[in-house]
Amino acid sequence: SQQGEEDPQALSIQEGENATMNCSYKTSINNLQWYRQNSGRGLVHLILIRSNEREKHSGRLRVTLDTSKKSSSLLITASRAADTASYFCATNEAGGFKTIFGAGTRLFVKA
Amino acid sequence: GAVVSQHPSWVICKSGTSVKIECRSLDFQATTMFWYRQFPKQSLMLMATSNEGSKATYEQGVEKDKFLINHASLTLSTLTVTSAHPEDSSFYICSAQSPGDGNIQYFGAGTRLSVL
Repeated sequence: SQQGEEDPQALSIQEGENATMNCSYKTSINNLQWYRQNSGRGLVHLILIRSNEREKHSGRLRVTLDTSKKSSSLLITASRAADTASYFCATNEAGGFKTIFGAGTRLFVKA
Repeated sequence: GAVVSQHPSWVICKSGTSVKIECRSLDFQATTMFWYRQFPKQSLMLMATSNEGSKATYEQGVEKDKFLINHASLTLSTLTVTSAHPEDSSFYICSAQSPGDGNIQYFGAGTRLSVL
């Protein structure tokens, strides 16, 4: 079964607004990653946050990790139409090597 | 970032035929590659972990005789869907881990398989 659960399943916003996606997981992890997938394409790695980190930034992306709540959030600021895609969180379990993907959030940014 | 090439991007075949999908790491050596299956509007489902020079590790419920995986070199893994049937129609994606890059996976562009 999938490790991560994400909400919302779908999100529709106007260009310029911020988009926040959340991810919850079940077991102890080494790290958590966020990926982006454009329709019908492979996934692109966005950002990795380690279990001992609480927040990480990359450009317009901000990721937080709360290991006590087993949750993470991805914030995209000042969204653009080109940000329209599906976003997946993925966890690497402590002691394991597999990466397990969440169900994903489909983001639609209206121009 | 590291580049993974997947070929073909789209294949249509008749029921009963076999289809081979290739996954290549272009600028790094990948001892481990992963094969996923994705249904429309759903997440990735791990099918198997491909290890160079050894047998693949299949996830529960994935038929190893149906989905043959070969990882003969550090830059190439292949997935062969044998005797394909319409229910095998799906989007198949491979990924590879670059050594020393943590657990970041680099993905191919995916292969859309349509079995008639």
